[in-house]
Amino acid sequence: GDSVTQTEGPVTVSESESLIINCTYSATSIAYPNLFWYVRYPGEGLQLLLKVITAGQKGSSRGFEATYNKETTSFHLQKASVQESDSAVYYCALGDWGNYKYVFGAGTRLKVIA
Amino acid sequence: GALVYQYPRRTICKSGTSMRMECQAVGFQATSVAWYRQSPQKTFELIALSTVNSAIKYEQNFTQEKFPISHPNLSFSSMTVLNAYLEDRGLYLCGARGQGGAETLYFGSGTRLTVL
Repeated sequence: GDSVTQTEGPVTVSESESLIINCTYSATSIAYPNLFWYVRYPGEGLQLLLKVITAGQKGSSRGFEATYNKETTSFHLQKASVQESDSAVYYCALGDWGNYKYVFGAGTRLKVIA
Repeated sequence: GALVYQYPRRTICKSGTSMRMECQAVGFQATSVAWYRQSPQKTFELIALSTVNSAIKYEQNFTQEKFPISHPNLSFSSMTVLNAYLEDRGLYLCGARGQGGAETLYFGSGTRLTVL
């Protein structure tokens, strides 16, 4: 079936250090998967961080970036220098454009310490 | 911009009772609405997908008898959890998608259900 696997948290990083959260996917029933990163801050809902709908493209937002790699079926999230305000839970998601359906990873809790 | 409001934010109900949650799209017309649940220690599971001009489609393990959904227009959707029990507790998220084949789901802040 369709699935998303991401780095198991919690992940603790010091402020100004770099970050990578791994995400790999399996899209057995989705012909043209779209890939997303959502973020959930404490007490809030899911917010779209970035999305890429075409393989080979890179998405970026708020200093985060991720490249849709069809060969390795990966969509890793990276940031060169994290801030305390980046502390949140990050979810990688696989979207089926045709069937309006998303599959989420388990989420990775990120804690940035000063 | 596209916003999705979901209410209530939190609710507590006694075991065996029911509760209703609502979802409203603001700033865009929601051609489809997806309801998800995040149970403790789990990721988001799709409960059902409601698309304009189509019947509501429930995922395996979720039924209309347990989670009836009303989607009367392009801006509003509601879902009820009937006869709630401990295993129904969690965060319920509503995600709405706009017209033109837009691929992004915009989510509300969720309704956290506690069952006593």
